[in-house]
Amino acid sequence: SYELTQPPSVSVSPGQTASITCSGDKLGDKYACWYQQNPGQSPVLVIYEDSKRPSGIPERFSGSNSGNTATLTISGTQAMDEADYYCQAWDSSTGVFGGGTKLTVL
Amino acid sequence: EVQLVESGGGLVQPGGSLRLSCAASGFTFSIYWMHWVRQAPGKGLVWVSRINSDGSSTSYADSVKGRFTISRDNAKNTLYLQMNSLRAEDTAVYYCAREGASSTIHMDVWGQGTTVTVSS
Repeated sequence: SYELTQPPSVSVSPGQTASITCSGDKLGDKYACWYQQNPGQSPVLVIYEDSKRPSGIPERFSGSNSGNTATLTISGTQAMDEADYYCQAWDSSTGVFGGGTKLTVL
Repeated sequence: EVQLVESGGGLVQPGGSLRLSCAASGFTFSIYWMHWVRQAPGKGLVWVSRINSDGSSTSYADSVKGRFTISRDNAKNTLYLQMNSLRAEDTAVYYCAREGASSTIHMDVWGQGTTVTVSS
């Protein structure tokens, strides 16, 4: 079965750029999306189709996908961005999520 | 306001059954594909199942195939998940989610979740 791998944790200082990676076999041949989840809350879509932002998502969120790696980038990270982030792709009629990355802003 | 509201969760014994519901409002439910996603306590998101707009096509994660059935009633704007032969490892918060309208598969609206606990 297809697998997506994320680092368990990423730390960033306020105002700096955070990058969260998601690795999978030939992931660049698929579309990746990203969800943000705050503790006790439902997930929120922040990036879809590799790099598109839904309405209401700040411009500091961006995405890319090439080769075996998709990347979520948060520029000018704010304290409110501290959350869990999950990548997701679709393979053989099956949805696949990465294991999630806890972003700490300190 | 676009909204999804899950219900039907609860405590069930191993081997038991439960039916989850997801009531949709604020959008034309009948034209959207829908999903169920679950999250075990302290763990990550796991995709469970997907159904097309008219209910004629479904897909499942291997872990629930043959035990869970996704369905929908477009007249009632409601999505369902029938869960049979439940196991302890099915304990999780279950979210329903709407698939976005673009050509790629992503979930743009999520419910608040309903908790299923499988325990004796």
